[in-house]
Amino acid sequence: DADVTQTPRNRITKTGKRIMLECSQTKGHDRMYWYRQDPGLGLRLIYYSFDVKDINKGEISDGYSVSRQAQAKFSLSLESAIPNQTALYFCATSERGPFYNEQFFGPGTRLTVL
Amino acid sequence: GQQLNQSPQSMFIQEGEDVSMNCTSSSIFNTWLWYKQDPGEGPVLLIALYKAGELTSNGRLTAQFGITRKDSFLNISASIPSDVGIYFCAGLGRDDKIIFGKGTRLHILP
Repeated sequence: DADVTQTPRNRITKTGKRIMLECSQTKGHDRMYWYRQDPGLGLRLIYYSFDVKDINKGEISDGYSVSRQAQAKFSLSLESAIPNQTALYFCATSERGPFYNEQFFGPGTRLTVL
Repeated sequence: GQQLNQSPQSMFIQEGEDVSMNCTSSSIFNTWLWYKQDPGEGPVLLIALYKAGELTSNGRLTAQFGITRKDSFLNISASIPSDVGIYFCAGLGRDDKIIFGKGTRLHILP
């Protein structure tokens, strides 16, 4: 079984709709992250969390919100989706200890906003 | 803010050839990481480097943490078809944040 899972894997939605992407992990890691990937732009950090209820903005947080209600779950919401939020979204986790910067990624969610 | 320049953007090579790619920055990084992303999947960590000058191998892959702490290199020897994918470098900067390069897309010609 995968250590980091994301649901849904694919989603097509319309402009203005509220969307939630879910991430779950069985690695027991404290730290979780949401990234966005666009062709030719690499991975850009949206939000990250170092513990339950801890939320920190990343490089491109505008238009997004997150929730960390449990250690194993970190959800990303688009309150009112717009077409330029069409992208591949990745959740990642890392441990608290000395290797905290070694991140483990989920399989991704492909989101299309029409 | 800190930025990483990863090159080349894409490579077309023959099976069996060696591959070299690199990441550079005008800033100092404390950790360098190399990831590979297969089509339709998330990135997977290949090699982590923690000390300037460090040279680490993982099978046919070898990565080095530059002495100046401003660059890192990844080499793949004797490429095979399953090496196809996007390779990302990532650096841990002074503000304790991970920054990713834009990726090198590797294509292998039959």
